[in-house]
Amino acid sequence: NAGVTQTPKFQVLKTGQSMTLQCAQDMNHNSMYWYRQDPGMGLRLIYYSASEGTTDKGEVPNGYNVSRLNKREFSLRLESAAPSQTSVYFCASSLYGYTFGSGTRLTVV
Amino acid sequence: AQRVTQPEKLLSVFKGAPVELKCNYSYSGSPELFWYVQYSRQRLQLLLRHISRESIKGFTADLNKGETSFHLKKPFAQEEDSAMYYCALGGTGGGNKLTFGTGTQLKVEL
Repeated sequence: NAGVTQTPKFQVLKTGQSMTLQCAQDMNHNSMYWYRQDPGMGLRLIYYSASEGTTDKGEVPNGYNVSRLNKREFSLRLESAAPSQTSVYFCASSLYGYTFGSGTRLTVV
Repeated sequence: AQRVTQPEKLLSVFKGAPVELKCNYSYSGSPELFWYVQYSRQRLQLLLRHISRESIKGFTADLNKGETSFHLKKPFAQEEDSAMYYCALGGTGGGNKLTFGTGTQLKVEL
C-alpha cells in the first residue's frame, strides 16, 4: 500500500533552472495538494486540485505551476528556480484528513 | 480569513511529565480541526481529528469553541513523543484545504 509517492527525494538546482516534482497517489482520492515547509513558517499551501481537471492557487503560488495529469498524479513545476524556493515540498491527498508523501528536499543555489 | 496559532516553537518536558501543546484558531464557521505529527525527517502523519474524539498514543484534544482552542494533551510524556506537532484547520472552500499552524517542536528529556 504505497499511499502517496513523491519523486525525487532530494534535488539541488542552480538559480534559473527548471524542474518538476512528481506526486502520485493510489487511494482514489479526489483532492491533492502541494505544500512547502519552511522553519518557523509551518506548511504553506502552494496549489491544490479539488478534483481531476481542476487546479487552484493556494497561499504561496508565485513561481510555481501545477498539472493534474489524471486522478492519480499531481505535479509541481518550478520554471525558473530561485534561492527563495529552497524548501521541503510535500504532496498530499485527502478524503477525510490528509495523507502525505515523504517530501522532496530542494536546494536552489 | 482562517488562521491557526501555535504560540510555542519549542516545548521541552521531562519524561513522565504532562504535556500540553497549545493551538488557537480563527474561523467564522464550524471548524474541523486536526493534529498532525512529524517525527524526525519523516512524513507528516495524522495524529487525531476532533470529530472522532479518539485518543491516539495517549494524546487527546478537545475542541473549545468558546476559547477557539484545540489544545493537545498527554498526561505522561514518553521519549518517543519527541517530534514536531502541527495543528490544522479545515477550510470552507472546495478541496478540503487545511490551514496549518507554524508547529511546536516537542522535546521529551530523560
